[in-house]
Amino acid sequence: AQTVTQSQPEMSVQEAETVTLSCTYDTSESDYYLFWYKQPPSRQMILVIRQEAYKQQNATENRFSVNFQKAAKSFSLKISDSQLGDAAMYFCAFGNEKLTFGTGTRLTIIP
Amino acid sequence: GAGVSQTPSNKVTEKGKYVELRCDPISGHTALYWYRQSLGQGPEFLIYFQGTGAADDSGLPNDRFFAVRPEGSVSTLKIQRTERGDSAVYLCASSPGQAAYNSPLHFGNGTRLTVT
Repeated sequence: AQTVTQSQPEMSVQEAETVTLSCTYDTSESDYYLFWYKQPPSRQMILVIRQEAYKQQNATENRFSVNFQKAAKSFSLKISDSQLGDAAMYFCAFGNEKLTFGTGTRLTIIP
Repeated sequence: GAGVSQTPSNKVTEKGKYVELRCDPISGHTALYWYRQSLGQGPEFLIYFQGTGAADDSGLPNDRFFAVRPEGSVSTLKIQRTERGDSAVYLCASSPGQAAYNSPLHFGNGTRLTVT
């Protein structure tokens, strides 16, 4: 079975500081993609960043970057210079056609 | 429209009733997905369409759940004999093509279904 574990139900960070959200997963597949999605109160899932499992180089999108450790099946998200608009639920996911999601981490930004 | 549209936004129904949830994908998107998100959980895959056909329906929990996409655009998720455990947010997503990476998913705002 494919599973995703997000061990931090809630995290908080001071505005302008850096925070890291953790994610581990389990799969027997060798080729897959990894994603972080953000879900604000509007319920819409918004793609934050994505990573191809066969690429060793960590993906970066502006203030968002990942630390992908394939052997450890770990895929953490680092948010730099945190902003009030970053407050949301963050979900880690992996897969190909269909995605398996974790249970999410609620991120609070402290002004 | 600019994004994926789901109607209704909220639906309250009584146990045992039949409900239909509608999804209008982004124009031209060939792939369409349904996910279910229970309270405090991440989305769970239900079914995936490529064009008019269901390419993967392995996530449908039982035969009370059915989805169609007759013209390869709008999709309807149908739930018969609703149960209180069906209460959740039902999310629809569409993408231009097949691979999740090359064609990232665009999600709608979901339909919150409450079964009383």
